[in-house]
Amino acid sequence: ETGVTQTPRHLVMGMTNKKSLKCEQHLGHNAMYWYKQSAKKPLELMFVYSLEERVENNSVPSRFSPECPNSSHLFLHLHTLQPEDSALYLCASSQDLTQNYGYTFGSGTRLTVV
Amino acid sequence: QKEVEQNSGPLSVPEGAIASLNCTYSDRGSQSFFWYRQYSGKSPELIMFIYSNGDKEDGRFTAQLNKASQYVSLLIRDSQPSDSATYLCAVRLPGGGNKLTFGTGTQLKVEL
Repeated sequence: ETGVTQTPRHLVMGMTNKKSLKCEQHLGHNAMYWYKQSAKKPLELMFVYSLEERVENNSVPSRFSPECPNSSHLFLHLHTLQPEDSALYLCASSQDLTQNYGYTFGSGTRLTVV
Repeated sequence: QKEVEQNSGPLSVPEGAIASLNCTYSDRGSQSFFWYRQYSGKSPELIMFIYSNGDKEDGRFTAQLNKASQYVSLLIRDSQPSDSATYLCAVRLPGGGNKLTFGTGTQLKVEL
C-alpha cells in the first residue's frame, strides 16, 4: 500500500461507546496530524505528532485521546462522544515539521455520533 | 478576523473558461501557501504550493502570491467539469511546527 490509509471509512457510534480510528502512512514521514472537518467550517487542527512525540494539542476535549506508537501509525481513541463530534476526521502526514511541501491526507473517517 | 478567508461560492464558470479563486490571510508573517482540491465525500488533495511573490505555473493551474496585499489566488485555465470541487486555501503561519490553517473553501462548478 502507498500513501496514507485510514480505517474505518465510516463509523456510527453511540455516546457511551468507545472506538478507535486508525491511520497508517507508508511515505516514510516523521510527522502526523489529526484534523476535524465539519460542514461549513474550516479544517480544525487537533493534534500534531513528530517522531511519536505529541507536539501540539489544540485544546481538544479529553474524550479524544491520540496515540502514536511509531512514526507510521497514529490512532484517535474516542469515548463518550457528543453528537456535535460528528464530522470527517482526517489524518495527514508530512516529511517533518520543517518542510514546506504541505501534507498528504488520508481518505478520512466519516464519524456519526448518535 | 478569520486567519484565512475564502468566498464560499459556488463559483460557476463555463467549460473552457478561466476560473479564478481567491484567498486572503491575516498574518503578515505567513510563510507558505497551499491550494488543496476536495471532491465531495473525499479527502483534500494538494495541487499547488507557493512561497515567493509572483506566479507559479503547473499545467492548467497558476498560483499567484502577493504578500504585500496578503492574498493568494489560484487560476484554472481551460476549466473542465472534472475541476468541479471545493478548493481549500491553506497557510503555514509563522512559529514552530508545520501547522497549516485552512480557509472554509470555495466551491467551483464548471458547467457544460
